[in-house]
Amino acid sequence: NAGVTQTPKFRILKIGQSMTLQCTQDMNHNYMYWYRQDPGMGLKLIYYSVGAGITDKGEVPNGYNVSRSTTEDFPLRLELAAPSQTSVYFCASSYGGKNTEAFFGQGTRLTVV
Amino acid sequence: GESVGLHLPTLSVQEGDNSIINCAYSNSASDYFIWYKQESGKGPQFIIDIRSNMDKRQGQRVTVLLNKTVKHLSLQIAATQPGDSAVYFCAENRAAGNKLTFGGGTRVLVKP
Repeated sequence: NAGVTQTPKFRILKIGQSMTLQCTQDMNHNYMYWYRQDPGMGLKLIYYSVGAGITDKGEVPNGYNVSRSTTEDFPLRLELAAPSQTSVYFCASSYGGKNTEAFFGQGTRLTVV
Repeated sequence: GESVGLHLPTLSVQEGDNSIINCAYSNSASDYFIWYKQESGKGPQFIIDIRSNMDKRQGQRVTVLLNKTVKHLSLQIAATQPGDSAVYFCAENRAAGNKLTFGGGTRVLVKP
């Protein structure tokens, strides 16, 4: 089982550029999440989804967009990249409900210069 | 605002001793409280959770305690091993959307 797969692992963007961080899971989980983690800090929720076709904002959604057209995929779009978006991005998924265990990808390290 | 936070940023523990990691929370509406472990360069990994109507839950070498009166959560690791060196996050899970909110993390360093 691959679990949660994120691509790319590393990326350097110039200010104003855009990109999409890919996330896919093969566990048939309904719930998917995007977090960012700044150095030495905790994880901040950007967006989450409770199922295909449904997305909701988290704590820090500004500057990002998501879509959930399938159960497996939950891409995160950065438009007009800014230095403040330099961070490590983690995608996660879970069954939800009483099953609280979320499975995380390996992360995407993004630098905006 | 609603938040989950930690008291200690770094905890140094002698190998074989017990570790206690603390966490304070402010939202009483959470359904579950969860502990995650994050090793360097990796994503967080689930350790154990506790439902909000429980006081204590035990796993393999770990125990989570929940004190709702003072809104305090702790993770106890028995006989700490070098492989336990990591950053530990507490998190809360709310039934509405199964949203996971994380605290700032405590780094545990195990000394040989």
